This record gives sequence, structure tokens and C-alpha cells, in this order.
Amino acid sequence: DAGVIQSPRHEVTEMGQEVTLRCKPISGHDYLFWYRQTMMRGLELLIYFNNNVPIDDSGMPEDRFSAKMPNASFSTLKIQPSEPRDSAVYFCASSFAWTSGIQYFGAGTRLSVL
Amino acid sequence: SQQGEEDPQALSIQEGENATMNCSYKTSINNLQWYRQNSGRGLVHLILIRSNEREKHSGRLRVTLDTSKKSSSLLITASRAADTASYFCATANTGTASKLTFGTGTRLQVTL
Repeated sequence: DAGVIQSPRHEVTEMGQEVTLRCKPISGHDYLFWYRQTMMRGLELLIYFNNNVPIDDSGMPEDRFSAKMPNASFSTLKIQPSEPRDSAVYFCASSFAWTSGIQYFGAGTRLSVL
Repeated sequence: SQQGEEDPQALSIQEGENATMNCSYKTSINNLQWYRQNSGRGLVHLILIRSNEREKHSGRLRVTLDTSKKSSSLLITASRAADTASYFCATANTGTASKLTFGTGTRLQVTL
């Protein structure tokens, strides 16, 4: 398996634009997590899914953020409209319920909002 | 929110020396995990220790867990320049074993 795949790797956009980040989890994994990492706040869990159903979205900062998982092999995190304070590295991770919660991370998307 | 607090925040050692990082947490856990993050990359799982275990080894890694003190330590023996990275502890809390709460991380620099 190629691991968790995220796209794009880098995204530069202007304030007010819509941004969509994409993630393909490891095949067979039933949990998917979206994190945001900044120097100031560290690694924050935004939302996670189990079997494509959102379980906990309490980490989503505000209504500008939304996440979907239409099927077991694809998820998106959307920011609309984007703001400069959204600049961060966004990670997707997946795990399998029977492996004690060990998570496998993608390489991340570095987002810069100008 | 961050449950794990790691100490020190940064550590600089020479190749061949041992590196010890500590993690404290607040609530009851199912297990505790350590991850490594190289600059510009995603986190990589290193080792997992369950709440009923006290010590675990994997190659040059040794992890201890003290549930009475709610703390863990990661020891890297005979460090190498390639060990330079940030190290994070993560706790799987009782009842939400699939969700991890990550600590603030320790930045390790190993110099030649």
C-alpha cells in the first residue's frame, strides 16, 4: 500500500478563496483523522470519521471549515472563505480499529493564505 | 486540547549519547504511543505501550510508563544524526481508544 496520500502538497491562495484539501486513507482502515499543525498551537485534531461517518468535529475551528467522507477511500477538508490565520500544515491520518489506535499519517498539505 | 506535555521542549546531544524525553498526561489511558516527525514530513509511529505495561523495548528505543504518576519516558540509546526530529507522545484515552491526543513535542538535535 502507498500509505495515506494527501493532495496538494502545497497550496498558496489569497484570502477569501475556497480551499479544498484531499486525502486517500490506507485501504481497509476504518478511521480517518484531520489535523492542523502550527508552531503556536501544535498538532490539533479537527475532526475524525469512523466508517465514513463523522464522530467528533469539536476541533473544527469555525463554520468556515467543513469535512466530508463520501466513501471509504476519499475525504476532503474545505475552508471557505480562507483567512491568513488558516495558514498551517494540514495532516490526514488513518487507522484500523484492531491495531490499538496506531495512526498512519500522510505527508501533509502546507497551506499559505495571503 | 493538548493532553500530553513533553519535557524538554528541545534537546541537543552529540552522536552516540543517549536522549531521554518525558511526557506527562492528565486522564486515564488505554495506551500511550510515541511518534517521530522529521522536518517537513508527517508523523511516524514508533512504539506503543499499554496501560498495564511498565516498560517496552524496540531496537534502540526504550519506553517506560508510570500510570500512578501519569508519565512516560522515551529513551533513544546511542543516538545518530538521523535521529534528529521532533518526538511526540500521544495518548489513547479510556473509552475513545481510536482517538489520540498528542503532546507538544520534543525537538531533538543530534550533532556529529
